[in-house]
Amino acid sequence: AQSVTQPDIHITVSEGASLELRCNYSYGATPYLFWYVQSPGQGLQLLLKYFSGDTLVQGIKGFEAEFKRSQSSFNLRKPSVHWSDAAEYFCAVGEQASGNTPLVFGKGTRLSVIA
Amino acid sequence: GAVVSQHPSRVICKSGTSVKIECRSLDFQATTMFWYRQFPKQSLMLMATSNEGSKATYEQGVEKDKFLINHASLTLSTLTVTSAHPEDSSFYICSASPRTGGNSPLHFGNGTRLTVT
Repeated sequence: AQSVTQPDIHITVSEGASLELRCNYSYGATPYLFWYVQSPGQGLQLLLKYFSGDTLVQGIKGFEAEFKRSQSSFNLRKPSVHWSDAAEYFCAVGEQASGNTPLVFGKGTRLSVIA
Repeated sequence: GAVVSQHPSRVICKSGTSVKIECRSLDFQATTMFWYRQFPKQSLMLMATSNEGSKATYEQGVEKDKFLINHASLTLSTLTVTSAHPEDSSFYICSASPRTGGNSPLHFGNGTRLTVT
């Protein structure tokens, strides 16, 4: 069975500082990996996804993530955090590239940004 | 781009009543939609898979008679919480993907905040 672990429940960074959110997955086959962001009371917005190819993927809002098969990780990074990045971030894994199977989500990491 | 619309965004109902939540794919057809539930400060947990023209598939522990799912068309799935109780208060989110598949990721609705008093 698939599973996703986000080790950090809550992270606080200063505005302008770099950010890395950790994600580890467990899946026997080729994983399809996603990062979503959720603002309070809102739905999910897709930041980026990895299906195949280049292991460093670029997303929206200046985010990127690197797929490392040897470490079963898909960490999310941003070089300079903005106050508007404060939100909940979810890593997810799916069985297929298409949307015909559901995603399994990690428990999320809440990001706080301080001045 | 593909958009999934969920309605209502918020609903407050009295204990014992039923509430219907709609999930629409606005510019694509979706044979499959998914319903998730999210408790405060927790992750999304899959409740059920909604299949157009057939019965929904429920995850273990989800009462199918309590959470009725109808996927009557390729653009609409509904979740009805029957005889709601305060413990059903939660954030419900649907997702869908174009039936053409390929590398189309799941698109999520903005969620419905259900409060049962």
